[in-house]
Amino acid sequence: AQSVTQPDIHITVSEGASLELRCNYSYGATPYLFWYVQSPGQGLQLLLKYFSGDTLVQGIKGFEAEFKRSQSSFNLRKPSVHWSDAAEYFCAVGRAGTASKLTFGTGTRLQVTL
Amino acid sequence: GAVVSQHPSRVICKSGTSVKIECRSLDFQATTMFWYRQFPKQSLMLMATSNEGSKATYEQGVEKDKFLINHASLTLSTLTVTSAHPEDSSFYICSAGRTGSDTQYFGPGTRLTVL
Repeated sequence: AQSVTQPDIHITVSEGASLELRCNYSYGATPYLFWYVQSPGQGLQLLLKYFSGDTLVQGIKGFEAEFKRSQSSFNLRKPSVHWSDAAEYFCAVGRAGTASKLTFGTGTRLQVTL
Repeated sequence: GAVVSQHPSRVICKSGTSVKIECRSLDFQATTMFWYRQFPKQSLMLMATSNEGSKATYEQGVEKDKFLINHASLTLSTLTVTSAHPEDSSFYICSAGRTGSDTQYFGPGTRLTVL
């Protein structure tokens, strides 16, 4: 069965500091990995995705993620956090190909202090 | 492009009534739509997958007679919560997969409160 683990429930960083959100996955086939962001009371916005190719993926809003097969990880990073980045971040895994059902992690809530 | 809308954004109903939530893909055709449920401060749990013109596939533990899903066209899927009870109160989010794409696009969600 597929699963996603986000070990950090809540992270607080200062504005301008770097950020890394952890994500580990378990999947029986080639995974399709996603990072989504959710602002309070809102739907999900896709930050970036990975299926194949370069293991360092660039996304929107200055985010990037690195796929490490040996560690079954897909950590999200940002070099300098802005106060507007405060939100809930979800890592998800799905089957490659046409849009298939996703399994989400439990999410990491990011708080940014000024 | 790839915008998904949901209506209503918020609904309050009395226990025992039924509520219909619409999910529309505004600028693309969606052969597959997904319905998720999210409890406060928790992750999204997939409820069902609906394909246009066929019956929805429900996840284990989801009552198909309580959560009726209809995907009548390539741009519209509906979720009807029948005989709603307070424990059905939740945030319901739909997503749509564009034909030929492997990315899901999410709607803004519907907050259901059952009194």
